[in-house]
Amino acid sequence: AQTVTQSQPEMSVQEAETVTLSCTYDTSESNYYLFWYKQPPSRQMILVIRQEAYKQQNATENRFSVNFQKAAKSFSLKISDSQLGDTAMYFCAASGTYKYIFGTGTRLKVLA
Amino acid sequence: KAGVTQTPRYLIKTRGQQVTLSCSPISGHRSVSWYQQTPGQGLQFLFEYFSETQRNKGNFPGRFSGRQFSNSRSEMNVSTLELGDSALYLCASSSTGEQYFGPGTRLTVT
Repeated sequence: AQTVTQSQPEMSVQEAETVTLSCTYDTSESNYYLFWYKQPPSRQMILVIRQEAYKQQNATENRFSVNFQKAAKSFSLKISDSQLGDTAMYFCAASGTYKYIFGTGTRLKVLA
Repeated sequence: KAGVTQTPRYLIKTRGQQVTLSCSPISGHRSVSWYQQTPGQGLQFLFEYFSETQRNKGNFPGRFSGRQFSNSRSEMNVSTLELGDSALYLCASSSTGEQYFGPGTRLTVT
C-alpha cells in the first residue's frame, strides 16, 4: 500500500523568504511519480512540480524545487522568494499503478 | 487547450436522494479520476477510468459509482445520499502521469 505523510499542518513564511515543506512516502512500486500540488483559496488544484522516481536529478520549476531522497523516501518542496500568491494548501502526492495517494496537506501562509 | 470542466459547480441535495456529477477531461486525455475532499479526511481517491473501463477503485461504499463514455467524459453517481457525503468532489484527467484537476463540484447534503 502507498502512503504519503505531510507532518506540517500549517506553516508561515515572510514574503521574499524561503520555506521548505516536508513530505515522506512509502510505496512498494518500483515505478512511480511524486508531485506537489497547490490549492489556493479558490479551490482549483494546480500542479506545482513533478518528479519521476527513476531520475536522480531534483526537479525545479522557477522558484519551486524539490529535494528528492529516494532511499529515505523523502520529497520536500522548497519555495524561494515567497510571494503572497503562494498562500495556499500544498499537497504532496505519489502515483503508482492507476492510483494517486495524497498527503493531508500543509497550509502555507505568506506574510507581508 | 481547455482545462478540465466539472458540472454543476454547486449542488444542494436532501438525504436519501441521488446525484450525478459530470466531468469533461482535457482533450486527448483518456484517464479520469475522481476524488472526494473533506476538511477532516483530506483528498480521498474514489475511482479511475481509462477508455471506459474502471481501472482502480478506492475504499468507498457501493453507493458511489462512476462511468466513462467513449469521448472520455465521465460521470459520478452517488445514491441514497448521507449527510457525510457533503464534500468537494474533484475530477482529474491525465495522459502522461500528472493529473490536471477541474474546479470541483461542491455538494451539500441537508
